Amino acid sequence: NAGVTQTPKFQVLKTGQSMTLQCAQDMNHNSMYWYRQDPGMGLRLIYYSASEGTTDKGEVPNGYNVSRLNKREFSLRLESAAPSQTSVYFCASSPPGQGQLSNEQFFGPGTRLTVL
Amino acid sequence: KQEVTQIPAALSVPEGENLVLNCSFTDSAIYNLQWFRQDPGKGLTSLLLIQSSQREQTSGRLNASLDKSSGRSTLYIAASQPGDSATYLCAASLGGSGYALNFGKGTSLLVTP
Repeated sequence: NAGVTQTPKFQVLKTGQSMTLQCAQDMNHNSMYWYRQDPGMGLRLIYYSASEGTTDKGEVPNGYNVSRLNKREFSLRLESAAPSQTSVYFCASSPPGQGQLSNEQFFGPGTRLTVL
Repeated sequence: KQEVTQIPAALSVPEGENLVLNCSFTDSAIYNLQWFRQDPGKGLTSLLLIQSSQREQTSGRLNASLDKSSGRSTLYIAASQPGDSATYLCAASLGGSGYALNFGKGTSLLVTP
């Protein structure tokens, strides 16, 4: 049981390049999320997927797109990377809202992205 | 938007002390509140989850309380150890946005031997 996995762990891009961050969970969770963490800003929600087949914008969606490929996988794409997107990106997942541990979020190890 | 504030931003204590980390939130209509630990360069590890109907949760040396009326949560760490050194994050969910979390900026804890 690997939990939430993310690839790659590190990435350096040049301005204007594109890339996709991959996330997968093996806990049969319905909901998945992408957050970014910047110094002094805390974690902020980029996009989320409440269930397979649905995606919605979070607080800071500009410059990003997402795909909920299936129940396990939720990818984040940067179409034209900008230096402002230099950050640490975390993927998370949570089970349906039932029971005492409902909606507890579990996080992946993160992807450290630098855009030059 | 739910604003979450954590005080203090940094804390240094000698080993063995009991300590309290504070978290405040602006919207009392929270769905749940979650405490995390983050080690340098690592991901977030969930410590405790408190549902809106609960007043506290305990796990080992950790105890988290929730007071919705005052907009506050505290994380109590008993008998601190050097291995407790990390950043502790508080996050609250309003239930919208797929139950996404609104995070505080964290308290950086250093426990000295």
